[in-house]
Amino acid sequence: ETGVTQSPTHLIKTRGQQVTLRCSSQSGHNTVSWYQQALGQGPQFIFQYYREEENGRGNFPPRFSGLQFPNYSSELNVNALELDDSALYLCASSGAGTGGTEAFFGQGTRLTVV
Amino acid sequence: AQRVTQPEKLLSVFKGAPVELKCNYSYSGSPELFWYVQYSRQRLQLLLRHISRESIKGFTADLNKGETSFHLKKPFAQEEDSAMYYCALLLNQGGKLIFGQGTELSVKP
Repeated sequence: ETGVTQSPTHLIKTRGQQVTLRCSSQSGHNTVSWYQQALGQGPQFIFQYYREEENGRGNFPPRFSGLQFPNYSSELNVNALELDDSALYLCASSGAGTGGTEAFFGQGTRLTVV
Repeated sequence: AQRVTQPEKLLSVFKGAPVELKCNYSYSGSPELFWYVQYSRQRLQLLLRHISRESIKGFTADLNKGETSFHLKKPFAQEEDSAMYYCALLLNQGGKLIFGQGTELSVKP
């Protein structure tokens, strides 16, 4: 059984650019959630995908978008990057569509916007 | 509004001392609460959930709906307990987890 993997681990982008972060869910899991964790803060929910459909969204602007693929891997896309987007981005997978089961986290992607 | 509050950013205790990490929540529905832990250089992982009523690594947490609290306790802290601890509330809509800002536990020898 493989765990949740994210790529890349670190990334530096310039303000205004676009970025794509990737996540491979744990084997057998059909739900992926994305979180943003700013320095010194707890993770903040961005959105969740269940069977390739968005299944809930947090208070993030539309320039944060995502995809889930048939193999349940997922992408987080952020357009028009701002300095405040600098954070650790976490992906979590779980086996059910509406929670209640354990969420397994990846190691995160550290995004720095300069 | 749904919210999770962890009032202490840092808690420092000596080995063998009791530990209590505080967590308070605000939620109008029936809460489902979790404690997550992040050890140094490791990923965030589930420590325990209130519905399981289990003890993991000597830690327990009881949901107190009257006080809207879900404090994490351990009677005798060990050095290997040093980590960041996050309390989280699960919202049924979309499986969204709301996290507190975290408490860093430092257990000194």
